[in-house]
This record gives sequence, structure tokens and C-alpha cells, in this order.
Amino acid sequence: NAGVTQTPKFQVLKTGQSMTLQCAQDMNHEYMSWYRQDPGMGLRLIHYSVGAGITDQGEVPNGYNVSRSTTEDFPLRLLSAAPSQTSVYFCASSRGATFNTEAFFGQGTRLTVV
Amino acid sequence: LAKTTQPISMDSYEGQEVNITCSHNNIATNDYITWYQQFPSQGPRFIIQGYKTKVTNEVASLFIPADRKSSTLSLPRVSLSDTAVYYCLVSGNTPLVFGKGTRLSVIA
Repeated sequence: NAGVTQTPKFQVLKTGQSMTLQCAQDMNHEYMSWYRQDPGMGLRLIHYSVGAGITDQGEVPNGYNVSRSTTEDFPLRLLSAAPSQTSVYFCASSRGATFNTEAFFGQGTRLTVV
Repeated sequence: LAKTTQPISMDSYEGQEVNITCSHNNIATNDYITWYQQFPSQGPRFIIQGYKTKVTNEVASLFIPADRKSSTLSLPRVSLSDTAVYYCLVSGNTPLVFGKGTRLSVIA
């Protein structure tokens, strides 16, 4: 049972490049979300999804796009990378009809934009 | 989105009991209180969750007073491996919102 898998683990981008961070879960969870974590800070919510075909914005959505075509996958797209997007990105999933069920997090993607 | 307030950092010696208190004055009726633990370079990990009174599992205890405006995470007999950041969250019908957490340092 893999849980939540994020790829890649590390990535360096040049300013203006685009890329997709992948997130997949094998627990048949309905809820998935993306967070970013900057040094010394807590996690900030970027986008989330309550099921296939449904997405919504979190606290810091600008510069990011998401889609949820399947239950398993929730990719995060950086449209035009900026140095301010240098961060560690975490994907999470949870089951249930509300947000108070246990969330499972991936190991993170460390992104550097130069 | 419900906000929480917790100490920025705490130090403890090995073998001691550690209590981390979290304030959540605006908690809603259907919100639960959940604590997560995060080690460096890892994603957060669920520790414990409760709605009221006391909850205990193999890792920690969670104490919630009747007014539910605060909660206390209790870690019995901490070891060096408990050094981590601990997050208190309230959640119900809205996504999880993480604050900066409490950085616990366990000293030998």
C-alpha cells in the first residue's frame, strides 16, 4: 500500500518555465489537497478537491492550476515559475464527507526556481 | 476558517511529560480538534483527534474542556525522537488550515 506518492522529489526550474507536480493516492480517498511550506512556516493551502471533477482554491492559489479527472490523481501545474514559488510542496488525501478525517501526506516535492 | 494559537517553541528533557496547549476561541459546533506531527523533510503525520473531554491513543492524550475553546496535547515521557513540529488544527466543513505549529525540542 503506497499511500500518497509525489513525483518528482526534487526539481529545479528556470524562471518562466512551466511544470506539473504529480500526486497519486491508492486509498480511494475523495479529498485531495496541495500545500506549500516555506522555511520556518506552516503549510499553506493552495488548491483542494472534494472529488473527481471538483476543485476549489485555497489560501494561496495564484500561479497554480489543478484538475481532478480521476479519484487517484491530483496534479499541480505551475504555469510560469517564479522565484517566489521556491518551496516544498505537499500533497494530501483523506476520506469522508467532511474535512475532519485523518489526512495522509506525501513525502513532498522540493522545488527551486532560479 | 477557524484559527488556532499555540506556543512557537518548547524545550523538554527526555523522559518528561510535555503538554502543548492550543487556543481555538472560534471553534464551530461541528469542528473537531486534530493534532499533527511533522519531522524535518517529511509531510505531517496524524497524531490524535477529539471532539470533547479526553482522548487517548498509544502515542498521546488530548484533553478538551467543556467549552472547547482550547485543547492540550500531552506526550508522556518524551524521547529525542519526539523532536518535531506539532500542529493543532480545527476542522469540520472547511479544509485543514495549518498555523506555524509548536517546535518541540527534546534534550538528552
